[in-house]
Amino acid sequence: DTEVTQTPKHLVMGMTNKKSLKCEQHMGHRAMYWYKQKAKKPPELMFVYSYEKLSINESVPSRFSPECPNSSLLNLHLHALQPEDSALYLCASSQGVGGWETQYFGPGTRLLVL
Amino acid sequence: AQTVTQSQPEMSVQEAETVTLSCTYDTSESDYYLFWYKQPPSRQMILVIRQEAYKQQNATENRFSVNFQKAAKSFSLKISDSQLGDAAMYFCAYRSAAGGNQFYFGTGTSLTVIP
Repeated sequence: DTEVTQTPKHLVMGMTNKKSLKCEQHMGHRAMYWYKQKAKKPPELMFVYSYEKLSINESVPSRFSPECPNSSLLNLHLHALQPEDSALYLCASSQGVGGWETQYFGPGTRLLVL
Repeated sequence: AQTVTQSQPEMSVQEAETVTLSCTYDTSESDYYLFWYKQPPSRQMILVIRQEAYKQQNATENRFSVNFQKAAKSFSLKISDSQLGDAAMYFCAYRSAAGGNQFYFGTGTSLTVIP
């Protein structure tokens, strides 16, 4: 099983809403990632969890709050977002954090902030 | 920081023909890894092929092969016998062997396959 699942597939929210994105993998991977991707652009790294600990936060605004409840699950909590936060949010996982490690990507959550 | 450049925003190829996508990168490191990822429309990104910088032999995966020129800092992807399912955005990516989790992605090349 080389699958990373993400829910929901689509999300529309207002600027005052609170919502969460969910990512799950059952490959025994110990590193998980959140990326933001705008249309026709490459993914931009937001957060990295390694062994369930936040190891990288790429200067992401505090309205995005990641959480890793266990080694298989990664959440991204959203609060008071701006329209410019509309994007495809990708989750990925890898066995470890070495340079050689392949990242397996989920299908993404397409977020629209109104 | 490392930079990855894909100079071809869009490419097209006839079905069954061969196409080469270009990628160059800038780094002062001697050991690193290079990747090509494919992102079909509305589908998830998947790894196509990867190359270790200390290996001189070019990586191949079925119809996909790379031309890795370390001195020139070039890492092109060749797709042979192109199929309709190859239509996608292709991203070249760099990752340091020294650790860290950052993938440095290029801006992508959108490949169209013409029947």
